[in-house]
Amino acid sequence: EVQLVESGGGLVQPGRSLRLSCAASGFTFDDYAMSWVRQVPGKGLEWVTVISWNSDLIAYAGFVEGRFTISRDNAKNSLYLQMNSLRPEDTASYFCTKQESAMGRGHIDAWGQGTMVTVSA
Amino acid sequence: EFVLTQSPGTLSFSPGERATLSCRASQTVSGDSLAWYQQRPARAPRLLIYGASNRATGTPDRFSGSGSGTDFTLTIDRLEPEDVAFYYCQQSGNSLPHTFGQGTRLEIK
Repeated sequence: EVQLVESGGGLVQPGRSLRLSCAASGFTFDDYAMSWVRQVPGKGLEWVTVISWNSDLIAYAGFVEGRFTISRDNAKNSLYLQMNSLRPEDTASYFCTKQESAMGRGHIDAWGQGTMVTVSA
Repeated sequence: EFVLTQSPGTLSFSPGERATLSCRASQTVSGDSLAWYQQRPARAPRLLIYGASNRATGTPDRFSGSGSGTDFTLTIDRLEPEDVAFYYCQQSGNSLPHTFGQGTRLEIK
């Protein structure tokens, strides 16, 4: 069974940094691209970033503006999201997701439960 | 940038009825790479339909997807109370970012 478990969320002041982690199990991690999707409380889903199986392809949503960095460690079956210069509008639940392909095209076929990030003074 | 527009915003139903949800893209979705996700209250989303019309593992056959190009539809037959949820479409073809629609809320009358 595919499992994606996020950690690292919490309360952070504007302008500070936070690093999210996602522990993956139940599938061959380095066969698949991974991505992060976020959801502001009470709002819809928002695609954030994707990384291919070998980290050769990385893409970000426009609102990231160079503040976030996605990375992965295939030896540890782990995905990360380094978030710098956080803004109140980054407050959201962040979902770790598994892509159905190695290079990042195609649909998401598994979701974590999400980790909440709150950016507030 | 790709924009996906879902309609209606909210759909109210009685059990046993049929629901038709629309997702319209601002440009052609390459390879019909259009997926539908269901998000029940306080739950993570889950994949329902991929490639516009393919049911994901575990998706009941009451759910069906159709469409191509820029117009896609999710149809839910014989609606059940457990279908109360938000439904999102997403394009995941050659164009990044892989945009989501704003969602359709399905509620019981």
